[in-house]
Amino acid sequence: QAVVTQEPSLTVSPGGTVTLTCGSSTGAVTSGHYPYWFQQKPGQAPRTLIHDTSNKHSSTPARFSGSLLGGKAALTLSGALPEDEADYYCLLYYNGPGVFGTGTKVTVL
Amino acid sequence: EVQVVESGGGLIQPGGSLRLSCAASGFSVSSDIMTWVRQVPGKGPEWVSILHSGGGAYYADSVTGRFTISRDNSKNTLFLQMNNLRVEDTAVYYCASRLTWGQGTLVTVSS
Repeated sequence: QAVVTQEPSLTVSPGGTVTLTCGSSTGAVTSGHYPYWFQQKPGQAPRTLIHDTSNKHSSTPARFSGSLLGGKAALTLSGALPEDEADYYCLLYYNGPGVFGTGTKVTVL
Repeated sequence: EVQVVESGGGLIQPGGSLRLSCAASGFSVSSDIMTWVRQVPGKGPEWVSILHSGGGAYYADSVTGRFTISRDNSKNTLFLQMNNLRVEDTAVYYCASRLTWGQGTLVTVSS
């Protein structure tokens, strides 16, 4: 089974920009992995932010965007707000089964 | 309102079976990608299974041969049949479409 790796933790200043990445042990991440990004706050279920690399949920704030960057999937948060402090997980599909990333804890400080 | 609501979790002994249900509203489970994800409290989520609109299904290696995903279009409900349950299957089980997550149902496997 593939291993999907994310930065364990990142800190961003209020109003600042941060990019989270999602890499695969099998090689470059492509649109064929249908990258998803989820946000999870303590005590809550995960929430879909991005699906299929860059497509947003209707409720996804405009400050979140998804892309492919340097062989990885990326989630960029531009103009961070205190309420963006959360755990973020990516999900990649491998011709059928999916694998979640290790997760990134984002601190807004 | 678009939502999914899971049910069917509970306490079960190792080797037992449970069937989880996920009732959808505001959209059709037959027209979207539906997944089951589980999460041990304090840990990251683990992908379990997916059912495509065309009927194709896939499973994590850890549950292959023991879990079966299915849907009842007439009831607009997704299911996860879990057999031969193990202690390590203990987790909160979430149902999710491409965009919508439920609040989860807790499955505890213990003697």
